[in-house]
This record gives sequence, structure tokens and C-alpha cells, in this order.
Amino acid sequence: GQNIDQPTEMTATEGAIVQINCTYQTSGFNGLFWYQQHAGEAPTFLSYNVLDGLEEKGRFSSFLSRSKGYSYLLLKELQMKDSASYLCAVRDRDGANNLFFGTGTRLTVIP
Amino acid sequence: EPEVTQTPSHQVTQMGQEVILRCVPISNHLYFYWYRQILGQKVEFLVSFYNNEISEKSEIFDDQFSVERPDGSNFTLKIRSTKLEDSAMYFCASSDIGPYGYTFGSGTRLTVV
Repeated sequence: GQNIDQPTEMTATEGAIVQINCTYQTSGFNGLFWYQQHAGEAPTFLSYNVLDGLEEKGRFSSFLSRSKGYSYLLLKELQMKDSASYLCAVRDRDGANNLFFGTGTRLTVIP
Repeated sequence: EPEVTQTPSHQVTQMGQEVILRCVPISNHLYFYWYRQILGQKVEFLVSFYNNEISEKSEIFDDQFSVERPDGSNFTLKIRSTKLEDSAMYFCASSDIGPYGYTFGSGTRLTVV
């Protein structure tokens, strides 16, 4: 089966930087996605990596190492509204339409 | 900004009853999906739909489930005979180029009693 691991919970301080890690073991790989999900709401797309390296988008950056089966999401200048769950999801093959999600990391930002 | 709309937002049904969950995807999107999330658990893929047919489905999507695009705008998920374990948040999503940047709807919370 497909296995995607993330820490269950993290806490960080407003204004700080936090890194949320994701490791995956899947039968194939064709892209990794990060989503943000506020409690009781729909996931919203944050980032997509298919090649190794860092993708930066404002306060959020995502990194991928395919050889290590590893990604992280980096959030800078944390704001209280960043308190949410962050979901790592993998597309396991070219042409696949579905994504495999991890259980998500619940981030709490404290003052 | 375009949205995926789901109705109802909450549905309570008795075990064994049929339910239909409705979704209106973004109008120019071609790929449609249903996912579910049992409380406290991960988001799980159910089915994808493209060009008026199912393109992929998971093991969860058994004979109790069906999807339909009855007209040019709606996309429905039917559960024929609900079970207690079907209680979950059901998310519809759509995209214009496969799984890149899905737009999810706000979900239907289904409670089977």
C-alpha cells in the first residue's frame, strides 16, 4: 500500500518559522502536494513539487527529495491564521487522477 | 473566485437508506472527484470522473456507491444502502488538468444513525 507519514501535531510561535515534514513510501511517484485544511473546512491547495528542490510561494515554501522520499513545508513569519492542518499528498503515477493523503499535521500557532 | 458547491452541508440518514450527495464543479473543469474524511482520519480517495465516465476508483468505492453527471453542471455521489461506517465528511473536487491544484468543495457531513 501507499504510506505517507507526517507528525500529528506541532506548535509554533507567532512570527516564527516552522517546518512540517512528510515522508512517503509509494509504489511510484509523480508529484507531491501540500494542502491546508482549517477545522471543518475543505482542503485548499498550497504547493506542488515533482522535481527535487525548493519551490517558494510567498511565506510558504515546499521542498522535495525524491531519492529520500521526503518533503517539507516551510512556513515563515507565522500568523495566528496559519493554525490549521497541513496535508501532504502524493500522486503515485503519471496519468493517475487520485491523490494519497497523509493524516495531516495539526499546527497550532501561539502568541 | 470560482467555487465548487456541495449540498447539503449536513445530512443525517438512517442506516440502510439511500443518500445522494450533490456537487456543482467549477464550470470549465473537466475532472471531478469524490473524497471522504472520517472524523480525525485522513482524506481518502473514492472516485474520479472524466469524459462522462469513471476513470479511477478505490477499494472503498464498492457496489454501494455510484456517481453520475446528470446534466452539464451537477456531479452526484449516491450511496445505495448506507452503513454506520459511511459516516464521514464527503468532499467533491474538480480540476482542469488532472490532480494539479484540485479545488475542493466545503463538504457534506453525512451522519448515519
